[in-house]
Amino acid sequence: AQSVTQLGSHVSVSEGALVLLRCNYSSSVPPYLFWYVQYPNQGLQLLLKYTSAATLVKGINGFEAEFKKSETSFHLTKPSAHMSDAAEYFCAVSGITAGNQFYFGTGTSLTVIP
Amino acid sequence: DAGITQSPRHKVTETGTPVTLRCHQTENHRYMYWYRQDPGHGLRLIHYSYGVKDTDKGEVSDGYSVSRSKTEDFLLTLESATSSQTSVYFCATANSGRAGELFFGEGSRLTVL
Repeated sequence: AQSVTQLGSHVSVSEGALVLLRCNYSSSVPPYLFWYVQYPNQGLQLLLKYTSAATLVKGINGFEAEFKKSETSFHLTKPSAHMSDAAEYFCAVSGITAGNQFYFGTGTSLTVIP
Repeated sequence: DAGITQSPRHKVTETGTPVTLRCHQTENHRYMYWYRQDPGHGLRLIHYSYGVKDTDKGEVSDGYSVSRSKTEDFLLTLESATSSQTSVYFCATANSGRAGELFFGEGSRLTVL
């Protein structure tokens, strides 16, 4: 069963517009949730994480995400897109099994149109 | 940045040959992971390690084995490579378990002909 679902494999926004990337999780226990970014030909880098403290989490480069338990969601937003935000974004979850495994969504490719 | 190096970075091999990918870290992180990245599938966990000689299977472990004889090295072996194992392989490390940050290597691109 998919632990993390990212809606929309490709998202395009105009420069300066709102960025919204969607992530829903499936877990019967409180999860830890993460957003990672991948630039071309590189590994992934952490943008932000939720670990049961504040539900609104702020990350690097102006990104933030809100944990909504009632909706089992952890959507990523940024008020104003910049050309440098073009990348692949991955939502990830941990803490849903006995071990320390991290499970990733299928990714969303963000294009920023000048 | 955590010092994580993967080798080789690129490899082309033939079906049926053994392949070993190496992940080396200099951060003394306890946890190490191998993922494969494929279009439409994101990253899928192959195997992970929670200490020297302590490993466990992930989502897509069939056809892969791992070994960790030292804290700094985590080897991924394809005993007999198949075309379905053509992928980009990423190593990651973490120091604080499930609530912590994963640090990624730059990936190893494997092509099996």
